[in-house]
Amino acid sequence: NAGVTQTPKFRVLKTGQSMTLLCAQDMNHEYMYWYRQDPGMGLRLIHYSVGEGTTAKGEVPDGYNVSRLKKQNFLLGLESAAPSQTSVYFCASSGREKLFFGSGTQLSVL
Amino acid sequence: DAKTTQPPSMDCAEGRAANLPCNHSTISGNEYVYWYRQIHSQGPQYIIHGLKNNETNEMASLIITEDRKSSTLILPHATLRDTAVYYCIVRVAVTNTGTASKLTFGTGTRLQVTL
Repeated sequence: NAGVTQTPKFRVLKTGQSMTLLCAQDMNHEYMYWYRQDPGMGLRLIHYSVGEGTTAKGEVPDGYNVSRLKKQNFLLGLESAAPSQTSVYFCASSGREKLFFGSGTQLSVL
Repeated sequence: DAKTTQPPSMDCAEGRAANLPCNHSTISGNEYVYWYRQIHSQGPQYIIHGLKNNETNEMASLIITEDRKSSTLILPHATLRDTAVYYCIVRVAVTNTGTASKLTFGTGTRLQVTL
């Protein structure tokens, strides 16, 4: 039982490049979330999903897109990376109560 | 979701109880109080949650005041491994209609446990 798995763990991009972060959960959770965390700050919600095929915007959605084609996977895409998107990205999943978080992806955009 | 207020930092001696306060004066009747912690740069880890009754589990105890405007997380015997940032969050319960209840993280309390 792996819980929530994020890939990759580290990535360096150049401005304008695109990439996709993958989140996978094996707990059969309906709800999945993408957060970002900047140095010295709390987590901010980017996008979330209440079920397969559905997504919704969070607090800071601009510059990101998401997809939930399968219940166990939640993808976060950056179409044209900007230095302001340098951050640590956390994925989480939940049932009706507590959230379980992945170990994070450290992304640097040069 | 209601806002929470926590002290930015606290110290605690190893072996002593760590009492972390949280104010949530605008909490609604259907909002739960959740506590998470983040050790170094890891993903946040669930600790405990409650609605109005005090709760205890293997990690901690949660004391919620009768008016529910504040709560205290208690780590009964703090160890060095409890050094982390602790987040107090209020959250509306997830409904049967599928409305996801999102967690809003503030900056938390940085707990430093010392020898």
